[in-house]
Amino acid sequence: GQQVMQIPQYQHVQEGEDFTTYCNSSTTLSNIQWYKQRPGGHPVFLIQLVKSGEVKKQKRLTFQFGEAKKNSSLHITATQTTDVGTYFCAGLSGSARQLTFGSGTQLTVLP
Amino acid sequence: GAVVSQHPSWVICKSGTSVKIECRSLDFQATTMFWYRQFPKQSLMLMATSNEGSKATYEQGVEKDKFLINHASLTLSTLTVTSAHPEDSSFYICSGSGTERSQPQHFGDGTRLSIL
Repeated sequence: GQQVMQIPQYQHVQEGEDFTTYCNSSTTLSNIQWYKQRPGGHPVFLIQLVKSGEVKKQKRLTFQFGEAKKNSSLHITATQTTDVGTYFCAGLSGSARQLTFGSGTQLTVLP
Repeated sequence: GAVVSQHPSWVICKSGTSVKIECRSLDFQATTMFWYRQFPKQSLMLMATSNEGSKATYEQGVEKDKFLINHASLTLSTLTVTSAHPEDSSFYICSGSGTERSQPQHFGDGTRLSIL
């Protein structure tokens, strides 16, 4: 079955440093979604990428979808303590409705 | 944005008890609802997919007689953990999605289930 790997599993950064998490799928994706889960909370939808090579920005967050539609990345510029949480990518492939979630990257931002 | 209400938030009960978790979409019609299970510091594992008015589709390894799912309307789905045991203790999260396959999922707040 489809697998979505995400690295790194954990990342500690000093406030103001940049952060990147990478997502790789074993199969070609029709779209990829990114979610953020704060400690003790539930996943919150951030963005969806559909097109090959697509790049989207949300303030300090930059999302990319690979040319082959099998990988994606999330980059945060100048992290803030409010960025703390676990970031999950989740992919859709074929005609399935079910998302396959990556393993997540837990971000800690040190003040 | 779309809101999904899930309750209860916390459940602590004795082994052998059945526990019912409700998931409601408040401002949209959730054609499809998903039920996930999440262990500490792990990812979300899909348990089952339910479509309004039809039987749920369970993922491999998930016992359908153990985890009963009902999706009786476009705004309500329930998960009942029957005869719960300590190994069923986990964080259960539902999500709802509209008619388009590629629409994002909107998650409930989750239910922390502790079986003593």
